[in-house]
Amino acid sequence: AQTVTQSQPEMSVQEAETVTLSCTYDTSESNYYLFWYKQPPSRQMILVIRQEAYKQQNATENRFSVNFQKAAKSFSLKISDSQLGDTAMYFCAFMNRDDKIIFGKGTRLHILP
Amino acid sequence: NAGVTQTPKFQVLKTGQSMTLQCAQDMNHEYMSWYRQDPGMGLRLIHYSVGAGITDQGEVPNGYNVSRSTTEDFPLRLLSAAPSQTSVYFCASSHGDTQYFGPGTRLTVL
Repeated sequence: AQTVTQSQPEMSVQEAETVTLSCTYDTSESNYYLFWYKQPPSRQMILVIRQEAYKQQNATENRFSVNFQKAAKSFSLKISDSQLGDTAMYFCAFMNRDDKIIFGKGTRLHILP
Repeated sequence: NAGVTQTPKFQVLKTGQSMTLQCAQDMNHEYMSWYRQDPGMGLRLIHYSVGAGITDQGEVPNGYNVSRSTTEDFPLRLLSAAPSQTSVYFCASSHGDTQYFGPGTRLTVL
């Protein structure tokens, strides 16, 4: 079975610091997509960043970057220069070849002023 | 484009009542899906559809029915609501590797 594991239920960091959220997944497929979604208190699901498994280069989107280790099945999210607006639930997700998305249980991130 | 819309935003039901959660998208996406979100559980797939007339079960389908008569609409039906169905429900449509989520419906079953 394909699974996504986020080992940090909750984290807190000071504003302007860098924080890394962990994610591991399990699959026997060789080609797939990985995502990080942000869910602020408004409940809206917002795509933060995506990574295609066949691309070795780590994806970046402004202050957000990933460390994708395919052999280790690890997909961590780094947020640089964290801002108060980054406070949210963050979900790691995996899309398989049938286009089904499997989500981790989430990490609640608090950015402290 | 309105994107993915869901109605209602909030709903309270009594055990045994039935209702339909509406979902519509105006992006002409073939793939649509329903998820439920429970505290500490992430999002779990209920049902999905790869096109009009085609639906299939996801991870947690029991107690829910779906149909897809048009590309735009993908309603989720609760035939006899139970307290275990208290949750936040998200509809999504996708094109390729990009999923677009609706704003969600918070459902409480008493």
